[in-house]
Amino acid sequence: AQKVTQAQTEISVVEKEDVTLDCVYETRDTTYYLFWYKQPPSGELVFLIRRNSFDEQNEISGRYSWNFQKSTSSFNFTITASQVVDSAVYFCALSEAVGNYGGSQGNLIFGKGTKLSVKP
Amino acid sequence: EAGVVQSPRYKIIEKKQPVAFWCNPISGHNTLYWYLQNLGQGPELLIRYENEEAVDDSQLPKDRFSAERLKGVDSTLKIQPAELGDSAVYLCASSDRGSPYNEQFFGPGTRLTVL
Repeated sequence: AQKVTQAQTEISVVEKEDVTLDCVYETRDTTYYLFWYKQPPSGELVFLIRRNSFDEQNEISGRYSWNFQKSTSSFNFTITASQVVDSAVYFCALSEAVGNYGGSQGNLIFGKGTKLSVKP
Repeated sequence: EAGVVQSPRYKIIEKKQPVAFWCNPISGHNTLYWYLQNLGQGPELLIRYENEEAVDDSQLPKDRFSAERLKGVDSTLKIQPAELGDSAVYLCASSDRGSPYNEQFFGPGTRLTVL
């Protein structure tokens, strides 16, 4: 069965600190997708990144970076120089690969989320 | 491009009353999802539609929940009768199965409170 674990329920940091959100996943599939979503107080889930199981390259996008390690089944998310606007709940999610050649994502399995509070 | 639209944003009802939520997906998106998000939890899939066909409703409590997607565009999720434990946020998402990534786009959700 597929499962996503986000062990950190809440994290509080002061602005400009770096913070890493942990995500550990379980799946028997050889091809799958991993995601991070941000849920601000407004409630709408905002897509941040999708990673294919065959692509273990780390990715950096501005202040955001992601570390994917298949050996430890982890897909961690780091925010560098955090800002107050980063305060939100962050969800890690997993989906199987479906469709022709496994190129599409299936249903999303979410972790319980990590609430990040960035204080000025 | 307009995003996923959901209404109402908030709903307060007494237990045993019926309630309905509406979702209008992004234009052209053939896949529509309804998720349930309990407080402090991640979203959990209730039902997935491909056009007007429900292709995965294994997690939908069919004794009190029902959903429809007539004409394969907008969708309605209904609870009858509502119970106290149904208090949660109901999220709708849509995706375009023909796109390279089939990424899901989420609406703002409907927050249901059952008294």
